Amino acid sequence: QKEVEQDPGPLSVPEGAIVSLNCTYSNSAFQYFMWYRQYSRKGPELLMYTYSSGNKEDGRFTAQVDKSSKYISLFIRDSQPSDSATYLCAMSGGSNYKLTFGKGTLLTVNP
Amino acid sequence: SQTIHQWPATLVQPVGSPLSLECTVEGTSNPNLYWYRQAAGRGLQLLFYSVGIGQISSEVPQNLSASRPQDRQFILSSKKLLLSDSGFYLCAWAGGSGRAMNTEAFFGQGTRLTVV
Repeated sequence: QKEVEQDPGPLSVPEGAIVSLNCTYSNSAFQYFMWYRQYSRKGPELLMYTYSSGNKEDGRFTAQVDKSSKYISLFIRDSQPSDSATYLCAMSGGSNYKLTFGKGTLLTVNP
Repeated sequence: SQTIHQWPATLVQPVGSPLSLECTVEGTSNPNLYWYRQAAGRGLQLLFYSVGIGQISSEVPQNLSASRPQDRQFILSSKKLLLSDSGFYLCAWAGGSGRAMNTEAFFGQGTRLTVV
C-alpha cells in the first residue's frame, strides 16, 4: 500500500462548480498536511497548510483533515478557469523531516 | 520574507556530461533543504534532503549526488548524465530560523533537464 494515494484525474468541471480533491494515506504518524497548486512547467505553490484534524478556510479554498479516516480533502468553491492546474497533496510527521506527496490531480475548469 | 532561487530554468546536456544545479534560500537560517524530481504521471520523487551543512540523506540510489556547502545552498550534481536523468528537478526548503522542522515546504521554479 502506498503511503499517499491521490486520484490523478483528469477532472474537468464548468466554471463556478464546487471542486472536491482528495487524498488518503496510511502512515498514522502524519500530522502536517498541505495542498499545493502547480501550473504547467512551474514549481508547486503552497495553497493550504493544516496541522492535525479539522478544517481550514482561505477564501474560496477549504482544507479538511480527518485523521481517524486518514483522509484529507481540498474544496474549491466558485471555481475559475485560473484554477486549472495540478493539485498535489503532501504530508509529514514524526521525526521524519520528509514530505510525502500524492501524484497530483489535474484539474481543468472550463469557461 | 523568504525566497528560494533555483537555476538554470532549462538545460539540455549530452549523455555523459556533468551536471550541477544550484539552489539558494534567502531570509531564513538552518532550513531543511530538498531535491525532488518530477516525471510525468509519477509525482514528486524525493532524491535528497539535508537538515544541516554537510548532512545529506539519499532517498534513491542513482546517478546523482547532492552537497550542502553552506547553510542556505544546496547543489545537485552528476559526473556523467544518463538519458534517464531527464526530468523536472525541484528544490525546496522547510523549517529554519527556529521553526519546527515539520512545516510546510516552499519550492523553487524548477529546472527542466533534457539529456540528449
